[in-house]
Amino acid sequence: TQLLEQSPQFLSIQEGENLTVYCNSSSVFSSLQWYRQEPGEGPVLLVTVVTGGEVKKLKRLTFQFGDARKDSSLHITAAQPGDTGLYLCAGSDYKLSFGAGTTVTVRA
Amino acid sequence: EAQVTQNPRYLITVTGKKLTVTCSQNMNHEYMSWYRQDPGLGLRQIYYSMNVEVTDKGDVPEGYKVSRKEKRNFPLILESPSPNQTSLYFCASGSYRVGEFDTQYFGPGTRLTVL
Repeated sequence: TQLLEQSPQFLSIQEGENLTVYCNSSSVFSSLQWYRQEPGEGPVLLVTVVTGGEVKKLKRLTFQFGDARKDSSLHITAAQPGDTGLYLCAGSDYKLSFGAGTTVTVRA
Repeated sequence: EAQVTQNPRYLITVTGKKLTVTCSQNMNHEYMSWYRQDPGLGLRQIYYSMNVEVTDKGDVPEGYKVSRKEKRNFPLILESPSPNQTSLYFCASGSYRVGEFDTQYFGPGTRLTVL
């Protein structure tokens, strides 16, 4: 059983559309990280959110940490083919626990 | 250049033949870990190390061993590999404070097939 549940598992959209990926847990985390992984490579950190209710923006990506620090979302505005990849959330307490990931495909 | 290196990148072996996957980091990180990645299961932690000579089990440690004799190296050892250990393996290093992880830097991965 995954400690962190990500949804959807797969997402395929057209270039220019918006998308949201969700990361949910019944556990409280001291912080939550989002990574992106491209085929044949290791995950690369996008952002760390620490405070409940925190919103961070990274160009067209918006990350939100739930008020109770149990869930998070990643929203991409006007998606581009370069956003294609596997998006992983990871919750931090005494260890780092990863969700199963959301595979995002942006079609040109 | 800050990096985590793993070797080999690809390995095909047979059941029972001992193997070692090496991992090295040049960022002076105290925390290092090994993960395996399987479709639909995400990254599952095998072992982690808080510092030299300090290692502990992650979520799926059965069939694996590690050692941390030097700060920069954290090899993963499969004493008697079995087909269910066929997977994509990642080594990672990073900084850690109690309850909080800084950026974890991942290696490029080792794709292991056990026949």
